[in-house]
Amino acid sequence: GAGVSQSPRYKVAKRGQDVALRCDPISGHVSLFWYQQALGQGPEFLTYFQNEAQLDKSGLPSDRFFAERPEGSVSTLKIQRTQQEDSAVYLCASSAGTGHSNQPQHFGDGTRLSIL
Amino acid sequence: EDQVTQSPEALRLQEGESSSLNCSYTVSGLRGLFWYRQDPGKGPEFLFTLYSAGEEKEKERLKATLTKKESFLHITAPKPEDSATYLCAVQVTGTASKLTFGTGTRLQVTL
Repeated sequence: GAGVSQSPRYKVAKRGQDVALRCDPISGHVSLFWYQQALGQGPEFLTYFQNEAQLDKSGLPSDRFFAERPEGSVSTLKIQRTQQEDSAVYLCASSAGTGHSNQPQHFGDGTRLSIL
Repeated sequence: EDQVTQSPEALRLQEGESSSLNCSYTVSGLRGLFWYRQDPGKGPEFLFTLYSAGEEKEKERLKATLTKKESFLHITAPKPEDSATYLCAVQVTGTASKLTFGTGTRLQVTL
């Protein structure tokens, strides 16, 4: 498809387990972003990649959160030793522009993560 | 600290009843203001980007405007299919493209 694709759409894990969330951006998009959206709230920034370089990870809430984009295309967000407060929708967005452009970000439909 | 505040939190309109949603912002320097629409279970869908005070953009029944402190999303003669959450977000100078979002306005349009 032409849009941003995220998998899985839903993930249920027990507290303490590790999870990995995948994002396939729009083909050719240089910039890739991860956001976390709690119920009834707006998305909150987690991290930003320009190609394979992670240029901003200021929004990652703890060192249990790790993101990578090794070949400058697909990205994975990994959460280690999950906690209940990690339950949220994780959104991925991509953009054709580089770091300081005003190109709009296009979002996937997210992964809904539930920690039991 | 950069802040985005949207009002009202929720709005219920009858079909054809025009209204406006508000997004007020406090930022160190505005690079762009973005409006998105989000349907339940879906990701935000891009609507508009505004860059400078006085700018306006239109798409079908929606019109977005920008001043130095706030933006409005005007909805003219809404239809039930316009029901969604409308999110406002800002890009701030020196922050390399990340978006800071408000909490959104949940719009319901009834027949």
